[in-house]
Amino acid sequence: AQSVTQLDSQVPVFEEAPVELRCNYSSSVSVYLFWYVQYPNQGLQLLLKYLSGSTLVKGINGFEAEFNKSQTSFHLRKPSVHISDTAEYFCAVTPSNAGNNRKLIWGLGTSLAVNP
Amino acid sequence: EPEVTQTPSHQVTQMGQEVILRCVPISNHLYFYWYRQILGQKVEFLVSFYNNEISEKSEIFDDQFSVERPDGSNFTLKIRSTKLEDSAMYFCASKSGSLDTDTQYFGPGTRLTVL
Repeated sequence: AQSVTQLDSQVPVFEEAPVELRCNYSSSVSVYLFWYVQYPNQGLQLLLKYLSGSTLVKGINGFEAEFNKSQTSFHLRKPSVHISDTAEYFCAVTPSNAGNNRKLIWGLGTSLAVNP
Repeated sequence: EPEVTQTPSHQVTQMGQEVILRCVPISNHLYFYWYRQILGQKVEFLVSFYNNEISEKSEIFDDQFSVERPDGSNFTLKIRSTKLEDSAMYFCASKSGSLDTDTQYFGPGTRLTVL
């Protein structure tokens, strides 16, 4: 079984500051990793994903994440945030050996609040 | 850009009543999912659907729940007799059949409130 831990439930940050949202996972098998974002009153939108290859993954809106297998982490970073980045961020995993019809296992989410 | 849509955005119902949550997945997608998020808790997998049958379901998805793809475009989640603890945000998602992508595309959710 897999589990995902997002260590910070809320992250307040000032505009143009860097931010890191932390995600750790537990799994006995290899996993694919995802970050989704949910803006107020909207659905879940994929930010980025790691399937294989380079451990540094770049996504939309200037976000990137680094897969660290030894630390079982997939932290999300942005060097300079904007007010519009205020949203809920979810980390999710799925076992890579589960075939094409994989369910996602989710973290609790991190609420990013960007202040002027 | 194609998107997943869900209706209604908010549903209020009395305990014991049946509800049907509707989703229109992205056309030509083959895999369909329902997830839910109880307020303050994690997003939880409910069920996956492929080739007109359930592929996998969680322990939450008991006999009170059913899914259907009645007309090739809609994908519905029915709760036969709602309980207070069914109050949650329900998300529908769909995924293409391509082997090189694992992206599930989500709808905006339906907030179900059971009174």
